[in-house]
Amino acid sequence: AQTVTQSQPEMSVQEAETVTLSCTYDTSESDYYLFWYKQPPSRQMILVIRQEAYKQQNATENRFSVNFQKAAKSFSLKISDSQLGDAAMYFCAYSGGGGADGLTFGKGTHLIIQP
Amino acid sequence: GAGVSQSPRYKVAKRGQDVALRCDPISGHVSLFWYQQALGQGPEFLTYFQNEAQLDKSGLPSDRFFAERPEGSVSTLKIQRTQQEDSAVYLCASSSQESLFNNEQFFGPGTRLTVL
Repeated sequence: AQTVTQSQPEMSVQEAETVTLSCTYDTSESDYYLFWYKQPPSRQMILVIRQEAYKQQNATENRFSVNFQKAAKSFSLKISDSQLGDAAMYFCAYSGGGGADGLTFGKGTHLIIQP
Repeated sequence: GAGVSQSPRYKVAKRGQDVALRCDPISGHVSLFWYQQALGQGPEFLTYFQNEAQLDKSGLPSDRFFAERPEGSVSTLKIQRTQQEDSAVYLCASSSQESLFNNEQFFGPGTRLTVL
């Protein structure tokens, strides 16, 4: 079974600074997807960024980028120029590559933005 | 609506009662997922539908949990004889035919179930 581990229950960063959230996973599959989801206090889960395992290039979405290390099974999220609206729970998630699969989530990291 | 909607948003049940939670996916989305999110935890997969077919129910914790999607659109998650350990937020997500290739799921706001 696949597992996703987020070792940082809480992180704090000053506004406009950069923060990195860690995620490791375990799988025996070679084809899969990795995701970072944001869950603000309102509870609506929002996709932040997605990475296909077969792509060597790290995904980027504006201020959000990932460092995908396939051999190390590591998938960290970097948030640049942190903004107050970035404050939320962040979940790392894994999905198998066989089409629509249920996501396996980590326990989440609570990100606090200090003004 | 433009997004996934769920109702009710909050449900309080007495232990032993049956509850039904509804999910309206994004129009046209073929895939629908249910997750259970306990307090302070990440969501855990319960079950998956493609159109009206329930293709995976491996995450349902017991036979008290039942899900259906009879017409391939709206889905209902039913919990019979609720127990205190069923207290959680139940999240629904849907994805399009195109998303079958990248598994991008769109989530609803969830239903918070409290069993007293």
